[in-house]
Amino acid sequence: GNSVTQMEGPVTLSEEAFLTINCTYTATGYPSLFWYVQYPGEGLQLLLKATKADDKGSNKGFEATYRKETTSFHLEKGSVQVSDSAVYFCALSDQAGRRALTFGSGTRLQVQP
Amino acid sequence: DTAVSQTPKYLVTQMGNDKSIKCEQNLGHDTMYWYKQDSKKFLKIMFSYNNKELIINETVPNRFSPKSPDKAHLNLHINSLELGDSAVYFCASSPAGRIEQYFGPGTRLTVT
Repeated sequence: GNSVTQMEGPVTLSEEAFLTINCTYTATGYPSLFWYVQYPGEGLQLLLKATKADDKGSNKGFEATYRKETTSFHLEKGSVQVSDSAVYFCALSDQAGRRALTFGSGTRLQVQP
Repeated sequence: DTAVSQTPKYLVTQMGNDKSIKCEQNLGHDTMYWYKQDSKKFLKIMFSYNNKELIINETVPNRFSPKSPDKAHLNLHINSLELGDSAVYFCASSPAGRIEQYFGPGTRLTVT
């Protein structure tokens, strides 16, 4: 079956540091890949997505590239802010028509001023 | 205007009770979902409806019964609540022909 593996957190960074959160996946076929963000006490918000190999998703300074050869979709940001503190979820959607998301376990990011 | 809304936001109840959580989306999407987020933040699909038809029914106790009166609403009824049902339940929706999903704010259910 499908699965998503994320690096365990929490990840603690100082403001303006470079962020990488690793995500690898296992899936049959060609899934679409997503990053969602959950701020404290809130629901999940779609951060970015990529639907085919070598696509780069980007939003709010965050980027992730769909790497089929390494089955990875690592999230990066060049300079984090305190307001980026949240839990980040990597997810995939299989193309078999179910359209349900398979999530990773989430990575908590804490950015200190 | 809230795109995907859930009521209630918090629900505290005792073991053995029956409760319902409601979800509404005003985005015109054709597919709706229920996910469960446990205490370790792990999210798992429970159910999915497409145009009022059940299309995903994961391994969930049959105490959980989803109902979709129309394509803008997907409710979750839970019978005989157990301690292990304590979690945050998220509703989501997605538009026809697209795969990204839009989530509601969640309902935190606490069973005592």
